[in-house]
Amino acid sequence: EAGVAQSPRYKIIEKRQSVAFWCNPISGHATLYWYQQILGQGPKLLIQFQNNGVVDDSQLPKDRFSAERLKGVDSTLKIQPAKLEDSAVYLCASSLSQQTNGYTFGSGTRLTVV
Amino acid sequence: KQEVTQIPAALSVPEGENLVLNCSFTDSAIYNLQWFRQDPGKGLTSLLLIQSSQREQTSGRLNASLDKSSGRSTLYIAASQPGDSATYLCAVVDDYKLSFGAGTTVTVRA
Repeated sequence: EAGVAQSPRYKIIEKRQSVAFWCNPISGHATLYWYQQILGQGPKLLIQFQNNGVVDDSQLPKDRFSAERLKGVDSTLKIQPAKLEDSAVYLCASSLSQQTNGYTFGSGTRLTVV
Repeated sequence: KQEVTQIPAALSVPEGENLVLNCSFTDSAIYNLQWFRQDPGKGLTSLLLIQSSQREQTSGRLNASLDKSSGRSTLYIAASQPGDSATYLCAVVDDYKLSFGAGTTVTVRA
């Protein structure tokens, strides 16, 4: 089966600019997650979707981050305006059933804010 | 709130030595535990998934054990190779959330 697809792989922007990341989960996976991983740390959940509804966005900085999952398939994560501390790897994951099947992660997008 | 800890943070071993990576978690009410590998600047590759009812899982040179009652998991990598150099992350699923440790960075010296 095809894996979780993410684009772009790398992005360098100046602070206060905006950026968007795209994710296409594994076909049939209803649950989609966006994680932020700062260098030297474990990934931190930003938002979780079940189909096209938000299940958990408690750790999403909503003043600058937004995410959507139209039609319950692809998802985009946007940052506007970016700050230096947003430099991180943004990981998308999907799951058929998190209790039994675990998670499959994409290759991530490395964002550098200068 | 679930807290996941991985010790040590870094490990360097000569080629051929067995690796032992430790993971502990504070809340034993988990659905499963997953070990991932992460190469520098890359995404996460799933290595092993252990259900809460299981004690261990094996895949090739990798073996992971789970002791839910004590909140511990151990990943064993037999006969390490330079290609095993990476960061290994453990994560637990509980209450519909995946919580990660900070990882153990492994260097296998040729």
